[in-house]
Amino acid sequence: EDQVTQSPEALRLQEGESSSLNCSYTVSGLRGLFWYRQDPGKGPEFLFTLYSAGEEKEKERLKATLTKKESFLHITAPKPEDSATYLCAVPFSGGYNKLIFGAGTRLAVHP
Amino acid sequence: EPEVTQTPSHQVTQMGQEVILRCVPISNHLYFYWYRQILGQKVEFLVSFYNNEISEKSEIFDDQFSVERPDGSNFTLKIRSTKLEDSAMYFCASSALAGVSDTQYFGPGTRLTVL
Repeated sequence: EDQVTQSPEALRLQEGESSSLNCSYTVSGLRGLFWYRQDPGKGPEFLFTLYSAGEEKEKERLKATLTKKESFLHITAPKPEDSATYLCAVPFSGGYNKLIFGAGTRLAVHP
Repeated sequence: EPEVTQTPSHQVTQMGQEVILRCVPISNHLYFYWYRQILGQKVEFLVSFYNNEISEKSEIFDDQFSVERPDGSNFTLKIRSTKLEDSAMYFCASSALAGVSDTQYFGPGTRLTVL
């Protein structure tokens, strides 16, 4: 069964304190992994797509990496405005377009 | 930048009533989706729609649910007889292509409250 597990569930950082969020997945034949940011009461906002092991993508203070079993979202020198829930999702291995989401990591960055 | 829009932002209804949630996908996108998120839970897939027909639906998407693209811009989700457990955030999404790995862009959501 396709599964996406994210850890930690919640993370509290001081401004400037770098850290990483983890997304582990079990799907047959990964066809992409997506990271989204979700603010309270809002829809998921697209951040990155990763397609193959070893791939990395960066945007401002965020960098996403992918291995054969997991993905990391590295946050360098975070600011309070980076506070949000970060969601990881993979396409269902059954060949359809539906995304399987993890439960997310709630990040709080304090000044 | 093009974005998915949804109306209304909040809908309150009585149990047993019909509701229609509306979405305007990104204009050149071909594939449309509805997801929902019950408070405190994961985002979960409901249905995907391509070329004017449902391409896949989840177990949640029973006979009480239907989707429609009534014109060239709107995409709607109808719940015929709402239940308390239908209370959730409903997100519309769209993608440019039908490929499995194509990025899905989400709207801001409609919060449905069933009393």
